[in-house]
Amino acid sequence: NAGVTQTPKFRILKIGQSMTLQCTQDMNHNYMYWYRQDPGMGLKLIYYSVGAGITDKGEVPNGYNVSRSTTEDFPLRLELAAPSQTSVYFCASSYSNDPEQYFGPGTRLTVT
Amino acid sequence: QKEVEQDPGPLSVPEGAIVSLNCTYSNSAFQYFMWYRQYSRKGPELLMYTYSSGNKEDGRFTAQVDKSSKYISLFIRDSQPSDSATYLCAMMTGQGAQKLVFGQGTRLTINP
Repeated sequence: NAGVTQTPKFRILKIGQSMTLQCTQDMNHNYMYWYRQDPGMGLKLIYYSVGAGITDKGEVPNGYNVSRSTTEDFPLRLELAAPSQTSVYFCASSYSNDPEQYFGPGTRLTVT
Repeated sequence: QKEVEQDPGPLSVPEGAIVSLNCTYSNSAFQYFMWYRQYSRKGPELLMYTYSSGNKEDGRFTAQVDKSSKYISLFIRDSQPSDSATYLCAMMTGQGAQKLVFGQGTRLTINP
């Protein structure tokens, strides 16, 4: 199993550009999550999904959108990128009856 | 007041020392208390978790939860240079979607 994979690893965006961060898991987990981690800080939940077609906002959803059309994929869309969105983005997944979340390697995003 | 507070350190100790890492929290509904380890430029990985109060031991690691004080701890015995990482505490209520709330993380260095 590859676990949770994220692409791209790194990206530099200009202010106002848009992009999609990709996340795929091959563990058949029904729950998936997007977090961001600012330098020297913990992770904050952006959006989460409890199954295909079901998504909900986390603590810091503004400026982001998500969709979940399959169990495996949970892309995160940034519209009109702003410098405040410079961060490391982690995708995670879990079973509904297991508190352990498995994290991907992260995407480092810089907005200038 | 943040829901979860963690001293960011950095903490530097000699090899073989006992390390104590701590978090406090304010939400009495938290039931799952997790410790994640994050190596530089990697995703977090679950070290161990405790449900409700009490202690849990796994090799050189011991997690303690005191719900009356809203205080959790992670002890590392016989610390090794390979333990050098950022340690993040995280908590969830366990109700519905498993939304983790993270502390800031403590950067730990074990010196040979």
